[in-house]
Amino acid sequence: AQRVTQPEKLLSVFKGAPVELKCNYSYSGSPELFWYVQYSRQRLQLLLRHISRESIKGFTADLNKGETSFHLKKPFAQEEDSAMYYCAPLDSWGKLQFGAGTQVVVTP
Amino acid sequence: SAVISQKPSRDICQRGTSLTIQCQVDSQVTMMFWYRQQPGQSLTLIATANQGSEATYESGFVIDKFPISRPNLTFSTLTVSNMSPEDSSIYLCSVGLAYEQYFGPGTRLTVT
Repeated sequence: AQRVTQPEKLLSVFKGAPVELKCNYSYSGSPELFWYVQYSRQRLQLLLRHISRESIKGFTADLNKGETSFHLKKPFAQEEDSAMYYCAPLDSWGKLQFGAGTQVVVTP
Repeated sequence: SAVISQKPSRDICQRGTSLTIQCQVDSQVTMMFWYRQQPGQSLTLIATANQGSEATYESGFVIDKFPISRPNLTFSTLTVSNMSPEDSSIYLCSVGLAYEQYFGPGTRLTVT
């Protein structure tokens, strides 16, 4: 069965500290992988996608096919990074499956 | 990119009634999706609605409960039928464009 796991429900970090959100997936083939973010009172939006290998708002995500992981990282967390983050593989039918989500709280 | 609007933004409904949610996109798209986000939960795909064909429902969701229309490439509706308190959720419309999905603001439904 296709599964995506985000083991941390809540991640609390201090401003300026590194933050890493874990994501593991179990999919047949090689799905495209995305991270979505939802800031308070805003709609869900794309943060970054594996295929583009870009860094958005200081976040990067490394795909490790051996470990089937796609962890999201940022070296220095900012208060505006406080949000809900979802890891989401895209299957061959164009459907996203969302992980349970990780709530990030950055405290000053 | 795509800009998506949903109506209504929120509603409070009585048990046993039905609500139709509208989703409008500012460009023509083939694939549209409907998601549900129950309180404190992640997003769950309800169905995929492609223009010109019947909607495809995910496991646990049926057409009688969540009928979907897709009359053209910019519009879709989702009806939540015979509502119960368990249907209280945020319902989101999404479209797929070039390996990216864009999401509407959601419709917050409360069933009393």
